[in-house]
Amino acid sequence: SQQGEEDPQALSIQEGENATMNCSYKTSINNLQWYRQNSGRGLVHLILIRSNEREKHSGRLRVTLDTSKKSSSLLITASRAADTASYFCATVIGGSNYKLTFGKGTLLTVNP
Amino acid sequence: DTAVSQTPKYLVTQMGNDKSIKCEQNLGHDTMYWYKQDSKKFLKIMFSYNNKELIINETVPNRFSPKSPDKAHLNLHINSLELGDSAVYFCASSQPPGTKGEGELFFGEGSRLTVL
Repeated sequence: SQQGEEDPQALSIQEGENATMNCSYKTSINNLQWYRQNSGRGLVHLILIRSNEREKHSGRLRVTLDTSKKSSSLLITASRAADTASYFCATVIGGSNYKLTFGKGTLLTVNP
Repeated sequence: DTAVSQTPKYLVTQMGNDKSIKCEQNLGHDTMYWYKQDSKKFLKIMFSYNNKELIINETVPNRFSPKSPDKAHLNLHINSLELGDSAVYFCASSQPPGTKGEGELFFGEGSRLTVL
């Protein structure tokens, strides 16, 4: 069954603006990961946040995790046209470390 | 130098045929996966192998048979193809959390299967 659910399904912004994508999940997790998928390509791992962490940064990416609300957000600052892609959150559920369950993704379009 | 490579990239075939997709990883990972991505981009796990042993089988029809000859290779054979099998199939690999890394997945570029 689907664990993560991204919101919004699609987001269109201008270059230089910030993009925020949200992910909600249903059950307790070990960690939550964000991936990017460019059109016609495979998924690429962006960032991982553990269940005992609240915020993590990597370059222009900022991820937050609120385990009480079972939600996470991915912020991309100063977006570029090259950030245009689908973004997926994925969760690892306790007791099944080998199984990463993905949401449906947010399609981000950054207009030049 | 490709970390996870899968072949073929495109596959067009008729209903009822049998086809295979191959995957190889040179990352030294113990675990490999097959995921199916449908036309709405929903990504669903199908199988997972750890060191050649099947550890996840997500209620996939038995027309789908994975095979892992060694921990660097995971192939997917599909019998009697149906229209609904049309999708992009992704191979991925990872190390179990607690070893090197925390279970991040490394994906291949996908194999787009079209069943006519």
